[in-house]
Amino acid sequence: QKEVEQNSGPLSVPEGAIASLNCTYSDRGSQSFFWYRQYSGKSPELIMFIYSNGDKEDGRFTAQLNKASQYVSLLIRDSQPSDSATYLCAVNRKSSYKLIFGSGTRLLVRP
Amino acid sequence: EAGVTQFPSHSVIEKGQTVTLRCDPISGHDNLYWYRRVMGKEIKFLLHFVKESKQDESGMPNNRFLAERTGGTYSTLKVQPAELEDSGVYFCASSQGGGDTQYFGPGTRLTVL
Repeated sequence: QKEVEQNSGPLSVPEGAIASLNCTYSDRGSQSFFWYRQYSGKSPELIMFIYSNGDKEDGRFTAQLNKASQYVSLLIRDSQPSDSATYLCAVNRKSSYKLIFGSGTRLLVRP
Repeated sequence: EAGVTQFPSHSVIEKGQTVTLRCDPISGHDNLYWYRRVMGKEIKFLLHFVKESKQDESGMPNNRFLAERTGGTYSTLKVQPAELEDSGVYFCASSQGGGDTQYFGPGTRLTVL
């Protein structure tokens, strides 16, 4: 079992819709949770991070964390074609600063 | 402010050769990380420097990989001798503090033939 699991997609949504990206993790010692966006051939770019249970909103993006269910999600409201990219979920543990990545979900926003 | 830079952007070498990748972190960032992504797999951690010291090298695959960060500024990752399975994209990231946001460089795509 991978430490961080994501559906590879592609997840296809129409422009203006809400895109929901999901991630599960296996280590209950995971402390911090990150969503990175990666365009093809480019570097991963941090979208959001979340430490506490609940929701965290930043503009069109909302991260949701449920530690009991070991689940973290990213909602993108009013999706735009420019949001089309691979979204990487990453976690780190209390004892280490290294990021443990999922394999990413490819999002396609159709005009 | 300049971001994390990596050199070269692409490298094609033959099995058995040596390759050295370079990473220049964001100025003032004491923490420097190396990651790699092999084809079809997730990005995996290789090692973490704090200034010039190796804080965590648990992800280094074997002794063919040698990372250095002399002077606590830029870092190099040498692969000697390179094997086919070393092909992938090598990312460098840096952060100011250990738990701070990690900013990634554009990566070096390594192809071993």
